[in-house]
Amino acid sequence: EPEVTQTPSHQVTQMGQEVILRCVPISNHLYFYWYRQILGQKVEFLVSFYNNEISEKSEIFDDQFSVERPDGSNFTLKIRSTKLEDSAMYFCASSPGHMNTEAFFGQGTRLTVV
Amino acid sequence: GESVGLHLPTLSVQEGDNSIINCAYSNSASDYFIWYKQESGKGPQFIIDIRSNMDKRQGQRVTVLLNKTVKHLSLQIAATQPGDSAVYFCAEKGNQGGKLIFGQGTELSVKP
Repeated sequence: EPEVTQTPSHQVTQMGQEVILRCVPISNHLYFYWYRQILGQKVEFLVSFYNNEISEKSEIFDDQFSVERPDGSNFTLKIRSTKLEDSAMYFCASSPGHMNTEAFFGQGTRLTVV
Repeated sequence: GESVGLHLPTLSVQEGDNSIINCAYSNSASDYFIWYKQESGKGPQFIIDIRSNMDKRQGQRVTVLLNKTVKHLSLQIAATQPGDSAVYFCAEKGNQGGKLIFGQGTELSVKP
């Protein structure tokens, strides 16, 4: 069964460092998303990506964040200068369409900023 | 403002009983709803969805009910099993984009 895969599963970084979280969405999907979940809280939308550009982003997705689809398979989230409050689980998701279709989630990357 | 905190509503049931998990959604314009199950350390896993033109949908052992009048969703799990223990989130999607807005989550604990 096709699935969304994310690497690494756990990333520890020092405050101020750049991190890149990687995702391989399901191959025939067209819409890609990043969400985050702070420990014990609900899942929050960060950004959606379609046709090689951002289609929507939340207030959380400020200038420190960027996304990229560098080739036909990978979808990355970069945090330029990490802060302690960026510590969270980051989930990548993909869907075949954007209306009335479920999003399939990866297993997540746990980011710990120290 | 948005509530923040570490406390999740919890539901504890006996194995074999039926479970009902409730969710209030925020946007009356939302037209698609999904229930996700999240096990510890894993990503959200799709359980069942429902469109706003329906008020009930059944899957295998699960039923989702939608009440648009009061913006309320519920997930019913029949014959709950220990493997159903997880956090359950409802999510809504609007008619202008693909982002999902998640609810706070309910932790389901099934006692054998």
